[in-house]
Amino acid sequence: NAGVTQTPKFRVLKTGQSMTLLCAQDMNHEYMYWYRQDPGMGLRLIHYSVGEGTTAKGEVPDGYNVSRLKKQNFLLGLESAAPSQTSVYFCASSWRETYDQQYFGPGTRLTVT
Amino acid sequence: GIQVEQSPPDLILQEGANSTLRCNFSDSVNNLQWFHQNPWGQLINLFYIPSGTKQNGRLSATTVATERYSLLYISSSQTTDSGVYFCAVVAYNTDKLIFGTGTRLQVFP
Repeated sequence: NAGVTQTPKFRVLKTGQSMTLLCAQDMNHEYMYWYRQDPGMGLRLIHYSVGEGTTAKGEVPDGYNVSRLKKQNFLLGLESAAPSQTSVYFCASSWRETYDQQYFGPGTRLTVT
Repeated sequence: GIQVEQSPPDLILQEGANSTLRCNFSDSVNNLQWFHQNPWGQLINLFYIPSGTKQNGRLSATTVATERYSLLYISSSQTTDSGVYFCAVVAYNTDKLIFGTGTRLQVFP
């Protein structure tokens, strides 16, 4: 079991460029989540999904889009990157409910210049 | 929304010392997790503990849901315990895991 994996690990973008972050899990979890972590802070929820084909907004959804076309994958897109989106992005998954234990990936460090 | 406060914000220990980290939350919860973020940024699940007490080696955690707090105990600390410890909760009738601001622990030999 690889658990939760994220691609890429690091990325540098210029303002206005677009990119997609990929999250994959092999635990057959229904729920998946995207978080961002800014320096000195805890994680904040961007978007989440309660199953294949579904998505919902979290605390800080502006500037991001997501898609869950396959149960095991959850994609996070930045259409026009801004310096304020410089952060570390974590993906997580849980079995069925948000009150189930969440398992986190290793993170993607994104810098927007 | 629910507020999650952790104390102390910073803790410096010598190897071998014991410590207690605290997490207070402002509303009833049905999910509480403790994480360790190591100096490389990796988030490691320590405990899933919405109530009761659990132990894993030198670490143990207790959540008193009725009094809205959780404690993480680290005994015989080691330098590898250094990093940031986060508490995160899901309040009843909500669907979002909310993180506290963390306790930064430094353990020196």
